[in-house]
Amino acid sequence: DAGVTQSPTHLIKTRGQQVTLRCSPISGHKSVSWYQQVLGQGPQFIFQYYEKEERGRGNFPDRFSARQFPNYSSELNVNALLLGDSALYLCASSRDRGRDGYTFGSGTRLTVV
Amino acid sequence: RKEVEQDPGPFNVPEGATVAFNCTYSNSASQSFFWYRQDCRKEPKLLMSVYSSGNEDGRFTAQLNRASQYISLLIRDSKLSDSATYLCVVDNYGQNFVFGPGTRLSVLP
Repeated sequence: DAGVTQSPTHLIKTRGQQVTLRCSPISGHKSVSWYQQVLGQGPQFIFQYYEKEERGRGNFPDRFSARQFPNYSSELNVNALLLGDSALYLCASSRDRGRDGYTFGSGTRLTVV
Repeated sequence: RKEVEQDPGPFNVPEGATVAFNCTYSNSASQSFFWYRQDCRKEPKLLMSVYSSGNEDGRFTAQLNRASQYISLLIRDSKLSDSATYLCVVDNYGQNFVFGPGTRLSVLP
């Protein structure tokens, strides 16, 4: 069975640009969460979607937005990129909003120059 | 106070040693607790859930103390392949996971 898949794996963008990251959850998983991880720190929560509705939002600026599609895949958008947005962006899926843990994708490594 | 706190380490231990990691959390309403393992430049992977009664999986034992808001992970007979960062994770009302900063473990030959 396929795990959580994310695309692209790596991305280089210029300050001020916009980026869209994509995630496909494990089949049967209806909950998708997005996390940002900078080097040396634990992942920081950005968004949770469950059944296509936003169920949680972390402490990130409005430049960050996301959505979940009818097939439960998800996109994370970041506008007006800053150097500080450079990080590993992780998508995680769960059948039940994390009660039994989340399974993470291998992430998208974003570099803003 | 941070929501989830861990000693960042690094813990450098010889093969075969027993090592313990601790984690404290601030949200007394949290219901679910986990340990994740993260290898360098890889995604976190679920190591084990943590239950009030404690749980064991081979060489790994996890304990939860709700009164003290404290979680522990014990690794016995350390292997070289156990070298990784161990992340303590606490749920937040089923809305999101709060990760600790991680504890780095190096098992030395």
